[in-house]
Amino acid sequence: EDKVVQSPLSLVVHEGDTVTLNCSYEVTNFRSLLWYKQEKKAPTFLFMLTSSGIEKKSGRLSSILDKKELSSILNITATQTGDSAIYLCAVEESSGYSTLTFGKGTMLLVSP
Amino acid sequence: EAGVAQSPRYKIIEKRQSVAFWCNPISGHATLYWYQQILGQGPKLLIQFQNNGVVDDSQLPKDRFSAERLKGVDSTLKIQPAKLEDSAVYLCASSPWGRISPTNEKLFFGSGTQLSVL
Repeated sequence: EDKVVQSPLSLVVHEGDTVTLNCSYEVTNFRSLLWYKQEKKAPTFLFMLTSSGIEKKSGRLSSILDKKELSSILNITATQTGDSAIYLCAVEESSGYSTLTFGKGTMLLVSP
Repeated sequence: EAGVAQSPRYKIIEKRQSVAFWCNPISGHATLYWYQQILGQGPKLLIQFQNNGVVDDSQLPKDRFSAERLKGVDSTLKIQPAKLEDSAVYLCASSPWGRISPTNEKLFFGSGTQLSVL
């Protein structure tokens, strides 16, 4: 059973639209949740959310962690074609050592 | 600061052949990971090293995959023999766990090796 579930798996929007990507998780020793953007091969870091930092914002992107619902959302406002990418959610667990488990990702396509 | 280096960038082999990938993490990063990312899926952890010891290899297909991190620095991942379903991007990442990262970035990824098995 997947520990990290993202939805939707894919999404097509028009430039200027606002999108919301979802991530839910079920892990034992939650430490943090991270969002990455993957355009080619290497994912690039967007945000880290923890129990003490549940909301982050950077430009048109923002993310919230819901500790009660064990989930997070990533919002992108006024989307641009350059936002087209796979958005990955990863959850850090810590039990002796830390490890990151990724969801399958949401493939976002922004059409002009 | 130099990033995570991986080679080769691309590799095409026939099934049943062998292949090896190399990774050099960021200097001082004790933790090194190998992820496999099949097209349309998120990265799946194959193996995690802490210095030169393995802390998690539960998802590594040990009948055909092997990895080592001699001297706790660079690492190699080998597949022998390769199968069609091994076609994927193999990502290496390193982490400064235990050290404060000013950007909260936990993993630093290499550019990956794209493997095609024909």
